[in-house]
Amino acid sequence: GAVVSQHPSWVICKSGTSVKIECRSLDFQATTMFWYRQFPKQSLMLMATSNEGSKATYEQGVEKDKFLINHASLTLSTLTVTSAHPEDSSFYICSATGGTSGRALYEQYFGPGTRLTVT
Amino acid sequence: KQEVTQIPAALSVPEGENLVLNCSFTDSAIYNLQWFRQDPGKGLTSLLLIQSSQREQTSGRLNASLDKSSGRSTLYIAASQPGDSATYLCAGWTGNQFYFGTGTSLTVIP
Repeated sequence: GAVVSQHPSWVICKSGTSVKIECRSLDFQATTMFWYRQFPKQSLMLMATSNEGSKATYEQGVEKDKFLINHASLTLSTLTVTSAHPEDSSFYICSATGGTSGRALYEQYFGPGTRLTVT
Repeated sequence: KQEVTQIPAALSVPEGENLVLNCSFTDSAIYNLQWFRQDPGKGLTSLLLIQSSQREQTSGRLNASLDKSSGRSTLYIAASQPGDSATYLCAGWTGNQFYFGTGTSLTVIP
């Protein structure tokens, strides 16, 4: 099946610094990528949807200037958490799909996640 | 806004037992309902997908049902095995995004 990787798998950073998380589709072209955040004991929450070559669409309540998403190629999307604070500590998961509508959108392939801890 | 709840939050059973995981959602306007498995260090894996027009889907020892009118879905696991230990998530697809439940952490004791 299709494989999505994330790097790094975990990262610790100091408050005020920025951290970049990569999401790659290894064996297919990811036209659409999604970024989720999962706090302990809570469900995955969609942060934003990005299509290759265009600006990401952010969900209500997600600061686009704080969570910068770049989807510059069909196999790579990056999430940069700028000026990170302890409350940004969470598990970040990306998913990818090869389509832009219909069935392709919900047939997503998920990455293994990145654990971010901000001290 | 769609809210998805899963009960129980955690479940521990001896190997070989049959078990049922529950998922309830507040808005019946979903296109489909998926059950995922989440393992530490690995991505979510889709187990079963039930379209809104369907009532159940089966894959091996797994059977998922969907009752849109009552806003409920169940995942039935037969003859549980230690390898089934994982977190199970249900998610409703509304046409443009998933709404995930909080998950059920399952431990199957050898």
